[in-house]
Amino acid sequence: AQTVTQSQPEMSVQEAETVTLSCTYDTSESDYYLFWYKQPPSRQMILVIRQEAYKQQNATENRFSVNFQKAAKSFSLKISDSQLGDAAMYFCAYRSYGGATNKLIFGTGTLLAVQP
Amino acid sequence: DTGVSQNPRHKITKRGQNVTFRCDPISEHNRLYWYRQTLGQGPEFLTYFQNEAQLEKSRLLSDRFSAERPKGSFSTLEIQRTEQGDSAMYLCASSFTGVSDYGYTFGSGTRLTVV
Repeated sequence: AQTVTQSQPEMSVQEAETVTLSCTYDTSESDYYLFWYKQPPSRQMILVIRQEAYKQQNATENRFSVNFQKAAKSFSLKISDSQLGDAAMYFCAYRSYGGATNKLIFGTGTLLAVQP
Repeated sequence: DTGVSQNPRHKITKRGQNVTFRCDPISEHNRLYWYRQTLGQGPEFLTYFQNEAQLEKSRLLSDRFSAERPKGSFSTLEIQRTEQGDSAMYLCASSFTGVSDYGYTFGSGTRLTVV
């Protein structure tokens, strides 16, 4: 069974600075997707960025980028030029490629605080 | 289309009562998921529908839980004889099966409190 581990329960960053959130996962599959989701307080979960395992190039979405290390089974999220609106719970998630259900397996999350 | 809609947003119920939640997915999405999220944890998969067929149920889903998706549109999740351990946020998400699968769209959730 696949597992996702986020070892940082809480992180803090100064506004305009850069922060990296860590995620490791365990799987025996060769093809899969990895995601970072953001869950602001009392608001819905939204997709931040996704990475296909077969792509060597790291995904980037504006101020958000990932460092995908397939051999190490590591998938970290870098947030550049942090903004107050980035404060939220961030979840790393795994999904099999071509699986029967496409269910997501989530980590326990990292609560990010942004200091003004 | 305003996204995935869940009702009610909050539900407080007495232990032993039955509750039902509703999820309206994005209209063109054929897949619908239910997740449960307890405080300080990531969402845990409960069940999944493709169109009207319920294709997978987690072992977390005891016999007191039942979900339906009639006609492949909205879905309901019912919990019978609620217990305090059922207190959680229940999240619904939908997605579309296609060449470019961009992942889920989540609803805002239904927060259940069992007293």
